[in-house]
Amino acid sequence: QKEVEQNSGPLSVPEGAIASLNCTYSDRGSQSFFWYRQYSGKSPELIMSIYSNGDKEDGRFTAQLNKASQYVSLLIRDSQPSDSATYLCAVLAWGNDKIIFGKGTRLHILP
Amino acid sequence: DADVTQTPRNRITKTGKRIMLECSQTKGHDRMYWYRQDPGLGLQLIYYSFDVKDINKGEISDGYSVSRQAQAKFSLSLESAIPNQTALYFCATGQGGDYNEQFFGPGTRLTVL
Repeated sequence: QKEVEQNSGPLSVPEGAIASLNCTYSDRGSQSFFWYRQYSGKSPELIMSIYSNGDKEDGRFTAQLNKASQYVSLLIRDSQPSDSATYLCAVLAWGNDKIIFGKGTRLHILP
Repeated sequence: DADVTQTPRNRITKTGKRIMLECSQTKGHDRMYWYRQDPGLGLQLIYYSFDVKDINKGEISDGYSVSRQAQAKFSLSLESAIPNQTALYFCATGQGGDYNEQFFGPGTRLTVL
């Protein structure tokens, strides 16, 4: 059974600080990794994709991938109250048709 | 205009009724997906389609059926709705290939009484 694990939270972070969200996955053949942001009652929104080991930065967001440790993370710098949401980690294995989603981490930015 | 649209956005129905949820996309993607989301359970894949002639079951297809009327349209039907099908339903599209990013529609909130 291929799995994607996330801490459900809530993770509380002061405004302006760095929020760090973590995700582990079980399938070593995984090739593509995604972070989605989901506000309550809304649909998931793709915010970051990463395919190679290392860091990928986009604005205030940095995705980090370590395939040897089967670990992917998302850093949010200068956290804002509008970042309060559930963040879903998703993983696609090589040759697989389907993305496996984690259950998400709830992030709460404290004003 | 939104790239992925779903109708209706909200629906309340009674046990035993047949319900159809519709999804349309203008992204030009070949792949389309139907998910349901329940609190605490995450996203569960119901059905997916890679083109008009290719339909595949997901994790939780029992009680559901789909139709891919065109590249841009993918419908989900509940043949005889039951209360535990009350959930948020999302359609998603993807372009496939090595990266296979998926993009979600706004969702349909379905309540079965």
